[in-house]
Amino acid sequence: GQNIDQPTEMTATEGAIVQINCTYQTSGFNGLFWYQQHAGEAPTFLSYNVLDGLEEKGRFSSFLSRSKGYSYLLLKELQMKDSASYLCAVMDSNYQLIWGAGTKLIIKP
Amino acid sequence: DTAVSQTPKYLVTQMGNDKSIKCEQNLGHDTMYWYKQDSKKFLKIMFSYNNKELIINETVPNRFSPKSPDKAHLNLHINSLELGDSAVYFCASSQLLTEMNTEAFFGQGTRLTVV
Repeated sequence: GQNIDQPTEMTATEGAIVQINCTYQTSGFNGLFWYQQHAGEAPTFLSYNVLDGLEEKGRFSSFLSRSKGYSYLLLKELQMKDSASYLCAVMDSNYQLIWGAGTKLIIKP
Repeated sequence: DTAVSQTPKYLVTQMGNDKSIKCEQNLGHDTMYWYKQDSKKFLKIMFSYNNKELIINETVPNRFSPKSPDKAHLNLHINSLELGDSAVYFCASSQLLTEMNTEAFFGQGTRLTVV
C-alpha cells in the first residue's frame, strides 16, 4: 500500500530552527510537496521537490532523498505565525497526490 | 478575487438529509478535486475531474455524487447523510498535475457536521 509518515506534533521556540521529517512508500514517484495549513484554513503550497537535494526558499527549505524515500522541511528563524500543520504529499505514478496526516507545529515564545 | 471558492463554509444537518457543496475556480485550471479531511487530519482524495470528465473516483460511497457543469465548477452532492460523513471537505484545482505543473490551489473548506 501507499504510506506517508510524519510526526504528529512538534514544539519549537520562536527564533529557533525546526526540521519536520517525512518518509514515504508509494507506487511510483513524481515529486514531493510540502503544504502549510493553519487551523481552520485551506492548505497552501510551500515547496515541491522532484530531484534529490535541497531547495531553499527564504526561511523555508525542503530536502529530498529519493533512494531513501525521505524528505524534510526546515524552518529557520521561527515566528509565531509559523504555528500550523505541515502536510507532506507525494505524487504517485498516476500523478495523484497521496497525503500524510500532517505535523502540527507549536511555536512557543 | 478568491481563486477557489466553495460554499457553504459551515454546514450542520441531520442524518438522512441530502446536501450539496458548491465549488468554483477562476484560475482557468483544467482539473478540479474534492478532498475529505477527517478528524485525524488525513487529506483523502475523493474525486478528480479534468475538463468536466471524471478521472479519479476513489472508493467513496455512491451517496456522494460529483457534478461538473463546466470546467470552472465542481459540486458535490451527498445523499442520505450519515454521522461518519462529518469532516471538512476541500475543493481544489490545478492544471492537470504533471511534473511541470506543481501546485494545487485549495478552497477554504466546508465543515460538515451531521447530527
